[in-house]
Amino acid sequence: DSGVTQTPKHLITATGQRVTLRCSPRSGDLSVYWYQQSLDQGLQFLIQYYNGEERAKGNILERFSAQQFPDLHSELNLSSLELGDSALYFCASSGQGLVQETQYFGPGTRLLVL
Amino acid sequence: DQQVKQNSPSLSVQEGRISILNCDYTNSMFDYFLWYKKYPAEGPTFLISISSIKDKNEDGRFTVFLNKSAKHLSLHIVPSQPGDSAVYFCAASGFGGATNKLIFGTGTLLAVQP
Repeated sequence: DSGVTQTPKHLITATGQRVTLRCSPRSGDLSVYWYQQSLDQGLQFLIQYYNGEERAKGNILERFSAQQFPDLHSELNLSSLELGDSALYFCASSGQGLVQETQYFGPGTRLLVL
Repeated sequence: DQQVKQNSPSLSVQEGRISILNCDYTNSMFDYFLWYKKYPAEGPTFLISISSIKDKNEDGRFTVFLNKSAKHLSLHIVPSQPGDSAVYFCAASGFGGATNKLIFGTGTLLAVQP
């Protein structure tokens, strides 16, 4: 158990809908990262937050947004969902979000868009 | 452009023998490398890491070797056990300190035969 929790574990929804994925980092970690793993791609970095502020953006679509709250949990919002958004979404956390820090991953949320 | 490459999609090894998983990278800005293990329906689990100032790091049965001039790293597992059967991801970070985002390879499926 990495100490990172994600809810829900599974999500089935329809195209055009909006969903929210939630992540709680390990106790004491200030930085949260979101990654997407789809069938035809490996793990792709989406976005990083540190202590409530966005620190880095990767291949995140404009239809997707995220935030980190004062209690350090984070939410990833996916809107106007398309079939191609079906994927595993992982959250990871690390202490300060600094280089050479190990990231610890949650169990993921499996999203299926029908 | 795949900056981190794992050219072997799969590897089969006998129990007790050595497993060698390979990873190549192209970006010379990377200065921290990690290996993660992933079981189906679980998040990636951190195994071992290495900083670019080192060429070897050991942790129990796992050793990571880094050859900076060749931009190549490898993970050695000795002795291999059936419980090691999983997908192994190589990841890299280090973009001049701007972010700790990870760039992942596509993974190698290791099967350890009893």
